[in-house]
Amino acid sequence: NAGVTQTPKFQVLKTGQSMTLQCAQDMNHEYMSWYRQDPGMGLRLIHYSVGAGITDQGEVPNGYNVSRSTTEDFPLRLLSAAPSQTSVYFCASSRTKNSPLHFGNGTRLTVT
Amino acid sequence: AQTVTQSQPEMSVQEAETVTLSCTYDTSESDYYLFWYKQPPSRQMILVIRQEAYKQQNATENRFSVNFQKAAKSFSLKISDSQLGDAAMYFCAYSKQGGKLIFGQGTELSVKP
Repeated sequence: NAGVTQTPKFQVLKTGQSMTLQCAQDMNHEYMSWYRQDPGMGLRLIHYSVGAGITDQGEVPNGYNVSRSTTEDFPLRLLSAAPSQTSVYFCASSRTKNSPLHFGNGTRLTVT
Repeated sequence: AQTVTQSQPEMSVQEAETVTLSCTYDTSESDYYLFWYKQPPSRQMILVIRQEAYKQQNATENRFSVNFQKAAKSFSLKISDSQLGDAAMYFCAYSKQGGKLIFGQGTELSVKP
């Protein structure tokens, strides 16, 4: 039982490059979300999905795109990386809207 | 907008002693959920405890318990008989209808042997 799988674990990008952070869950959860964690700021919601084909913006969506074509996958795309996007990114899923979140192990992204 | 505040950036406790981590939140809603998550150095996010706002009884999970004061919008976490493995960053989080979590800034707990 893999749970929530994020890849890659670490990534270094140059300013202006694009990339996709992958997230997959095998628990048939409808709810999936992306958070970024920065020192002293806790985790902040980037984007959110309540099911395949449905996405919504969170607190800090600028510079990020998401899509949800299947229940299992919820990739996060950085369109043109900026140093301000240096952070640790977490993907999470939950069975219902108020169930506890299951988190992936995070991706540490550095933008130079 | 809802906010979650953890006013203690760092806390320290002696092994086997009890420590309480504070959390306050602001909301105009009456139905919501509150959580405490633990993040050890491994970076993994681990659910510690969950409280449903409509339940007056405080949640308990083994050595972890909460003091939920709905009127005061306070949700503190008590760790009894602290162990070295409890050392971690602890996050308080609020979930409004719709499932989006709002996290506090975190409290880093150290446990002294």
